[in-house]
Amino acid sequence: DGGITQSPKYLFRKEGQNVTLSCEQNLNHDAMYWYRQDPGQGLRLIYYSQIVNDFQKGDIAEGYSVSREKKESFPLTVTSAQKNPTAFYLCASSMERGTGNTIYFGEGSWLTVV
Amino acid sequence: GQQVMQIPQYQHVQEGEDFTTYCNSSTTLSNIQWYKQRPGGHPVFLIQLVKSGEVKKQKRLTFQFGEAKKNSSLHITATQTTDVGTYFCAGPAGGTSYGKLTFGQGTILTVHP
Repeated sequence: DGGITQSPKYLFRKEGQNVTLSCEQNLNHDAMYWYRQDPGQGLRLIYYSQIVNDFQKGDIAEGYSVSREKKESFPLTVTSAQKNPTAFYLCASSMERGTGNTIYFGEGSWLTVV
Repeated sequence: GQQVMQIPQYQHVQEGEDFTTYCNSSTTLSNIQWYKQRPGGHPVFLIQLVKSGEVKKQKRLTFQFGEAKKNSSLHITATQTTDVGTYFCAGPAGGTSYGKLTFGQGTILTVHP
């Protein structure tokens, strides 16, 4: 099946640790995104990448890092510099050509700091 | 920066009642998209509106895009328990990336049987 796979589904992190969330897509989409979801605040963009080996900061990039070495993969690292990392993280992808392209989300990863 | 506001934040209805959520942008939008997120799930694309004054229907759901392309609404007729979830509107956040969106905070819909 085509789609976006995120792992792990649930992750617990100790304070001071870095963790990496995986995102893989087989939709042949050019662009990939990471959004963070907190209760009552909707979704906020962390980072996005329109092409391999290039990525841009979103609205809340501080404390996060990404890489885009392959078209299919866009991992997100939540670093110890992120002061409030407990949240639901959503990876998404879309085509970058034409108009009216939709964005497809993965099933998300729940990160909890313990 | 661009802001997208949604009201109400919560809506509780009895099954069979109608439901409407409203979305307002601080800037003119080239398009607006609507997503539904079931409890514990991820957002799923519902529809995109592009034209000023556009109205689209999906069974019991009616979507409207305002004439000024700064507001939108989603109306559900005769709600069912399967309509439960959070409904988000989202508009392009600028730049060249189609998926770079600014989301409203969402309207959480609960339906009592």
